Amino acid sequence: EVQLVESGGGLVQPGGSLRLSCAASGFTFTRYWMTWVRQAPGKGLEWVASINVDGSEKYYVDSVKGRFTISRDNAKNSLHLQMNSLRAEDSAVYYCLVGAYGPDYWGQGTLVTVSS
Amino acid sequence: DVVMTQSPLSLPVTLGQPASISCRSSQRLVYSDGNTYLTWFQQRPGQSPRRLIYEVSNRDSGVPDRFSGSGSGTDFTLKISRVEAEDVGVYYCMQGTHWPRTFGQGTKVEIK
Repeated sequence: EVQLVESGGGLVQPGGSLRLSCAASGFTFTRYWMTWVRQAPGKGLEWVASINVDGSEKYYVDSVKGRFTISRDNAKNSLHLQMNSLRAEDSAVYYCLVGAYGPDYWGQGTLVTVSS
Repeated sequence: DVVMTQSPLSLPVTLGQPASISCRSSQRLVYSDGNTYLTWFQQRPGQSPRRLIYEVSNRDSGVPDRFSGSGSGTDFTLKISRVEAEDVGVYYCMQGTHWPRTFGQGTKVEIK
């Protein structure tokens, strides 16, 4: 059974940093692109970033370029999102997904709140 | 960026009646490998989204056959043949052909 467990969310002040992690199991992690998607409270879904199988290709939505970094540790079956210079508009539930063309599995999400 | 436009944004439906959601993309979604990466997700209240349909018309395992996807080019549709109470939620289309990936605004399905 595929499991994706996100962690690392919390309350942070504007300008601060957080590192989200996603522990993956139940599938061959090294064979799949991985993706982060976020959902602000009461809003729709927004794709944030994707990374290819060996980490050599990374793509970001414009609003996070230069502030967020997606990475993966294939030895530990984990996905990460380093978030710097956080803004109020980054407040959302962040989901970890398997795939990038038609993602098929979603985690339960981790809530990030950016507020003073 | 590819803009995904869903309609309607709100869809009240009578139990047992059909429902249809449109998703239009601002660019064609055929990828260089010949596939069209148009995906439909369902998000029930309080839950994470789950995939229903991938590559326009392929239903995921465990998804009832009352759900179907169709379309090509820039015009896509999700149909529910007979709406059941468990179908209440928000439905999103997403294109996985172009970077950045983009979602539709979501269509809220509710029971009349």
